Amino acid sequence: QSVLTQPPSVSAAPGQKVTISCSGSSSNIGNNYVSWYVLLPGTAPKLLIYDNNKRPSGIPDRVSGSKSGTSATLGITGLQTGDEADYYCGTWDDSLSAYVFGAGTMVTVL
Amino acid sequence: QVQLQESGPGLVKPSETLSLTCTVSSASSTSYYWNWIRQSAGKGLEWIGRIYTSGSTDYNPAFKNRVSMSVDTSRTQFSLKLTSVTAADTAVYYCARGRGGYCSPNSCPRYWFDPWGQGTLVTVSS
Repeated sequence: QSVLTQPPSVSAAPGQKVTISCSGSSSNIGNNYVSWYVLLPGTAPKLLIYDNNKRPSGIPDRVSGSKSGTSATLGITGLQTGDEADYYCGTWDDSLSAYVFGAGTMVTVL
Repeated sequence: QVQLQESGPGLVKPSETLSLTCTVSSASSTSYYWNWIRQSAGKGLEWIGRIYTSGSTDYNPAFKNRVSMSVDTSRTQFSLKLTSVTAADTAVYYCARGRGGYCSPNSCPRYWFDPWGQGTLVTVSS
């Protein structure tokens, strides 16, 4: 069971928006910065968001991140079929002295 | 852009030691954390631990008694050893560079992984 809670799946039609929640506690999200990653089969995982809401170069601005209290959210607008993948949140956990990830959310484009 | 590539045996017998190497495409004068992360079938990501360029290590307590990491002096390869493996250690193993601010062993408020290797599947079976 993951320390960070994500919905198993979300879906939307092409062009629409999806949001993925990541819920934690004061020992992880509440006290540390959150990052988000996307995993596509056969390819290297990719960083989407770091420091709660910053995008690395090459990540389009239709991808966004936010954090409030002990929860974080990833948003993807203008959904494309290429966005179908598994998305993970992650942060440091002070109680565990370890980096922790959510269980992942599968995004499906209807 | 630096690239990472994992290598090692794809099959390990139960109770033996899993050994993997990550090759970094180019050495850097900047010091980084180098991490190992795995994904078991049907499960999420699990951080195993990290090694700093200097050789200091931080391990996930869930693995602490079984894991060791090392880095070579050229700063282009770092390695993972996981002892006494069982079927539960069957997973895709990734190496990744750690980025962010200052970290102590118990606190690392700003930390993320970029880039990652493509991953290598390790199966534990007799």
